[in-house]
Amino acid sequence: GQSLEQPSEVTAVEGAIVQINCTYQTSGFYGLSWYQQHDGGAPTFLSYNALDGLEETGRFSSFLSRSDSYGYLLLQELQMKDSASYFCAPSGGKLIFGSGTRLLVRP
Amino acid sequence: EAGVVQSPRYKIIEKKQPVAFWCNPISGHNTLYWYLQNLGQGPELLIRYENEEAVDDSQLPKDRFSAERLKGVDSTLKIQPAELGDSAVYLCASSLGGTAAEAFFGQGTRLTVV
Repeated sequence: GQSLEQPSEVTAVEGAIVQINCTYQTSGFYGLSWYQQHDGGAPTFLSYNALDGLEETGRFSSFLSRSDSYGYLLLQELQMKDSASYFCAPSGGKLIFGSGTRLLVRP
Repeated sequence: EAGVVQSPRYKIIEKKQPVAFWCNPISGHNTLYWYLQNLGQGPELLIRYENEEAVDDSQLPKDRFSAERLKGVDSTLKIQPAELGDSAVYLCASSLGGTAAEAFFGQGTRLTVV
């Protein structure tokens, strides 16, 4: 079967660093994607890890450990506009989403 | 380059009526997805196409939902008859290939069944 676990909510202060963890169980795993979705908007792609290790894209970094079926998204220098829902999505042909993590950035 | 285009953006129908959603993926994207998203939840996969072939439709309620992707480009998703519980946002996404490393989403169709 397939399963995804992320924290449901995270709150952080503007300028801080936050890490959103994801554990997954899926068949035919190719890699782990991360998406951001603002209220009323569509999911937008943030990053993708096909190999173990850290991928950095500006203020956002994503990490993958295939042996542990675990990944995380790291957001640095948090801004108010980062308040959104974040989804990890293991890809193996199909792209499956969990319930996501709602991030609230406070002033 | 245009992104994934969906129409209509909003639709209000009475229960038991039919409804159809249309999606135009990004040019050259072989893979097309339809998702359903309820408030506060993540997108739930309904069906995935590779070109014109539906390769994963296990989550599609086939008694009332149907989909097609003619010529491997545009796609339509139909519900007949609609039920109150079908009220949700229907999202279409496309990607270049089967690894689904990066999918691009349309703005979705918000369906309200009254």
